[in-house]
Amino acid sequence: NAGVTQTPKFQVLKTGQSMTLQCAQDMNHEYMSWYRQDPGMGLRLIHYSVGAGITDQGEVPNGYNVSRSTTEDFPLRLLSAAPSQTSVYFCASSLDRGHEQFFGPGTRLTVL
Amino acid sequence: AQSVTQPDIHITVSEGASLELRCNYSYGATPYLFWYVQSPGQGLQLLLKYFSGDTLVQGIKGFEAEFKRSQSSFNLRKPSVHWSDAAEYFCAVKAAGNKLTFGGGTRVLVKP
Repeated sequence: NAGVTQTPKFQVLKTGQSMTLQCAQDMNHEYMSWYRQDPGMGLRLIHYSVGAGITDQGEVPNGYNVSRSTTEDFPLRLLSAAPSQTSVYFCASSLDRGHEQFFGPGTRLTVL
Repeated sequence: AQSVTQPDIHITVSEGASLELRCNYSYGATPYLFWYVQSPGQGLQLLLKYFSGDTLVQGIKGFEAEFKRSQSSFNLRKPSVHWSDAAEYFCAVKAAGNKLTFGGGTRVLVKP
């Protein structure tokens, strides 16, 4: 049982490049979320999903897309990277709304 | 919308001394409350949670927290800190759906 896994751990992009951050969980959790962490701001919700085929926006969705074709995977896409997207990104999952969220180890992204 | 405030950005405490981290939340009903810890370069680990019932909640690593509805607070405490408790601590509230809202975090430094 690997829990929540994220790849890559580190990534450097140039402005305008696109990329996908991968997130997978093997706990059969329905709820999955993406957060970004910036100094002094805690974690802010980007997008979340309550089940396969269902996604919704969080607090800071602009510049990011998500999809949820399977229960296990919840990739986050940056369509055209900007320096303001330099951050640490965390994926999380939970069994349902009444349970705690389990976090992945994070992806540190730098956009030059 | 819910919000979480952690008034202390940094706290320095001597090893063996007690620790209290403050958390205030804003939400119209009784929320689900969480404390997470993040060690350097790591993801978030759940310390404890409050959903209902006894307002004094015991967690892992010797931490406890007390929910005070009248003060909209959920402060985290530990009677005697260890050097390994040096980390960043996040308070979070879960209200509508499965959205977690985080405070800005409190970084704890432990002096020998």
